[in-house]
Amino acid sequence: AIQMTQSPSSLSASVGDRVTITCRASQGIRNDLGWYQQKPGKAPKLLISAASSLQSGVPSRFSGSGSGTDFTLTISSLQPEDFATYYCLQDHTDLTFGGGTTVEI
Amino acid sequence: EVQLLESGGGLVQPGGSLRLSCAASGLTFSNFVMYWVRQSPGKGLEWVSAISESGDRTAYTDSVKGRFTISRDNSKNMQYLQMNSLRADDTAVYYCATIGVRSGRSDYWGQGILVTVSS
Repeated sequence: AIQMTQSPSSLSASVGDRVTITCRASQGIRNDLGWYQQKPGKAPKLLISAASSLQSGVPSRFSGSGSGTDFTLTISSLQPEDFATYYCLQDHTDLTFGGGTTVEI
Repeated sequence: EVQLLESGGGLVQPGGSLRLSCAASGLTFSNFVMYWVRQSPGKGLEWVSAISESGDRTAYTDSVKGRFTISRDNSKNMQYLQMNSLRADDTAVYYCATIGVRSGRSDYWGQGILVTVSS
């Protein structure tokens, strides 16, 4: 099974900061990766598909990059509503989620 | 509007069984691979199972193989997860979902249903 290693597991940042979260796949997954945001008590919301495609309605401060085994989610200027947990998800073979990154403002 | 609505959760004793259902509306159900994803209290997301559009192919995470069975009824726009030999570590919120990671389209999730395995 493909393993997804996500880091950091948590981070503390201030409004306006640039935040970067990474995911590393245990084998190449092309760009079959998405980034989700989850807030407490809610279902996950897809932010980025195909590693770098911003979903409709998602603020442009979110961006994704990478291909193969190494991927990055960047929030260019953190906003208070970005307090949440973020997960990467590969669907190259079955599904594997990263362990999650909790962003604390 | 697409809706996925889970039902069938609740409290069950270790070793018991439970059947989750997911009612889909607002989409052409038979066109979608369907998934079950779970989240244990305070923990991360974990893929549980998947079923192909026609139901002829299924897949499971290792920890539920031989205990859980996924199925679907395209005539009723329903998918199911039969969970047998339940263990305490199966306690989680279970989500029914379609996944749009590759296409960016058709990424839909239910609100989740809690399954608690406890004596």
